Amino acid sequence: DAGITQSPRHKVTETGTPVTLRCHQTENHRYMYWYRQDPGHGLRLIHYSYGVKDTDKGEVSDGYSVSRSKTEDFLLTLESATSSQTSVYFCAISDTRAGGVETQYFGPGTRLLVL
Amino acid sequence: AQSVTQLGSHVSVSEGALVLLRCNYSSSVPPYLFWYVQYPNQGLQLLLKYTSAATLVKGINGFEAEFKKSETSFHLTKPSAHMSDAAEYFCAVSDSLGNQGGKLIFGQGTELSVKP
Repeated sequence: DAGITQSPRHKVTETGTPVTLRCHQTENHRYMYWYRQDPGHGLRLIHYSYGVKDTDKGEVSDGYSVSRSKTEDFLLTLESATSSQTSVYFCAISDTRAGGVETQYFGPGTRLLVL
Repeated sequence: AQSVTQLGSHVSVSEGALVLLRCNYSSSVPPYLFWYVQYPNQGLQLLLKYTSAATLVKGINGFEAEFKKSETSFHLTKPSAHMSDAAEYFCAVSDSLGNQGGKLIFGQGTELSVKP
């Protein structure tokens, strides 16, 4: 357990509405990630953060923005939600415990439905 | 660029039978490879990882995987399936050379069903 929580766990929203998902970690990890999971695609990286106020884009960043004002919180915002953003969103942290090789640990996920 | 291919989106085995889930990777650097398991409505849990220390890697729940550089493969196996193994399994490769800040590239996932 890497001490990761995500909120909300479930969300239903309407097209065009802004949505913010929160990832919270309790173990002071520097690196945090947002992925989306869709059938047939596995998980794809949206954005990641390598420190407070330091973020970068991933593979599928269009339509998403992120912010990290505190080490423990990484927020994912859908500026104007679309039906194509219906997905399950996972947050992850990076840790070099257990042998020193970086390993990512995942939160429980947020299921988002955009109507 | 790294990539991962999992052969077979669905695999079905009988309880007690061998489980074999296939993963092939493409990487321009020495790969760090991972298998994760996802039970229904849950997050991803690390099963095992290859870090170049040993080619045969043992993980949790009786799973193991063998790194074969010549075949660019990292197949996941378990000698005897249990009903509780029914889940989705993801293979992933990291582009970080083991250092922090790397990004994971996932395969499409394989759903394992176990028949009584």
